[in-house]
Amino acid sequence: GESVGLHLPTLSVQEGDNSIINCAYSNSASDYFIWYKQESGKGPQFIIDIRSNMDKRQGQRVTVLLNKTVKHLSLQIAATQPGDSAVYFCAENVDLTGANSKLTFGKGITLSVRP
Amino acid sequence: DTAVSQTPKYLVTQMGNDKSIKCEQNLGHDTMYWYKQDSKKFLKIMFSYNNKELIINETVPNRFSPKSPDKAHLNLHINSLELGDSAVYFCASSQVMSQAYEQYFGPGTRLTVT
Repeated sequence: GESVGLHLPTLSVQEGDNSIINCAYSNSASDYFIWYKQESGKGPQFIIDIRSNMDKRQGQRVTVLLNKTVKHLSLQIAATQPGDSAVYFCAENVDLTGANSKLTFGKGITLSVRP
Repeated sequence: DTAVSQTPKYLVTQMGNDKSIKCEQNLGHDTMYWYKQDSKKFLKIMFSYNNKELIINETVPNRFSPKSPDKAHLNLHINSLELGDSAVYFCASSQVMSQAYEQYFGPGTRLTVT
């Protein structure tokens, strides 16, 4: 089965609130993780990444937290906006610098922002 | 200015036909990929090419044959299309050896087999 999964299929948040999207992974050898956002009718778009030697990384309005002990990844979106409505995917990678490295995607979670 | 482009965007065809999807990237990346996204939005890698060489070939039926004429192009040819091939196919590219590993995705090709 998949080694990466998301706890909830959908998440509904009020505009302006913070959103937290969670992801579990099972491969302790994974050394790199990415969050992607996919809007309707478009390809996945990179949001933020984190390597396994870090536990937190911040971007613009987004923060990724990595807990290797429990193999858990989360994406926090501050002040959620209607434009954040999309399907979000976490993905993990093993053998980051190898030519045969590949991303394994988890199941998507839909974020719906209520006005 | 499109980084990763795919054609066509939509493809409707009948079972048994042969079809191709084209992909081009202008990012100078050396690795390209094909992914299949099913109706439940699950994204799964099919192939990856590094400098025109096949690197990853997941358990994909041999009706699917990727072709990379140069490192900026990765086309996907599908023979004897089946109903279960209906999905959205995404091409992506990345520069594997750089510090960043993010993959840039194309807009997708929605294939419908009737």
